[in-house]
Amino acid sequence: DIQMTQSPLSLSASVGDRVTITCRAGKNIGKFLTWYQQKPGKAPKLLISTAATLHSGVPSRFSGSGSGTDFTLTISTLQPEDFAIYYCQQSYDIPFTFGPGTKVDIK
Amino acid sequence: QVQLQESGPGLVKPEETLSLTCTVSGGSITTGKFYWSWIRQPPGKGLEWIGYISNTGTTFSNPSLNSRLTISLDTSNNQFSLNLTSVTAADTAVYYCARTLTPEESFDIWGQGTVFTVSS
Repeated sequence: DIQMTQSPLSLSASVGDRVTITCRAGKNIGKFLTWYQQKPGKAPKLLISTAATLHSGVPSRFSGSGSGTDFTLTISTLQPEDFAIYYCQQSYDIPFTFGPGTKVDIK
Repeated sequence: QVQLQESGPGLVKPEETLSLTCTVSGGSITTGKFYWSWIRQPPGKGLEWIGYISNTGTTFSNPSLNSRLTISLDTSNNQFSLNLTSVTAADTAVYYCARTLTPEESFDIWGQGTVFTVSS
């Protein structure tokens, strides 16, 4: 299985901050990397696929970059509704695997 | 718009079989470039992909569950299902069904999730 790691595992930030989350894959996965946002008691929501493609309806303050083994999710200006857990997921190889998640909470 | 809804028992005894169904509304399960996935999340933990089925019935599963898992398609009712045999406490989780985009293999539409507990 391809192991996915994320850093940090948690962070505290304020509304208006720029937030960056890193995801690392255990092997080269090209651009087969997706980012999700999950709020308590809810299903995850697709934000970005193929490393950098913003999903329909997702605000433009979210962006993704990277390829190979290192990827980044950036929230340019953190909004109150962005406090959540963020997961990366590789789709290069079966079984698809997720990172452990990064919890973004209010400072 | 397409919506997914899981259904199934909330509680099963150890060694029994978990059966869950995902009903798809707002679109046909057999049209488009989609696969149909099951994903689970143990309490307080991260996400685990269980497996998926294509709109023609081809399945791909997580090898960690392969021997216990069956995913099937019911096109007449626009549903797909999961059967997991010989469950243990480690199978306790929220189970989600999700539409899977191809070829990027991202999960774009999710059900609300159903809580499943293994307990005697």
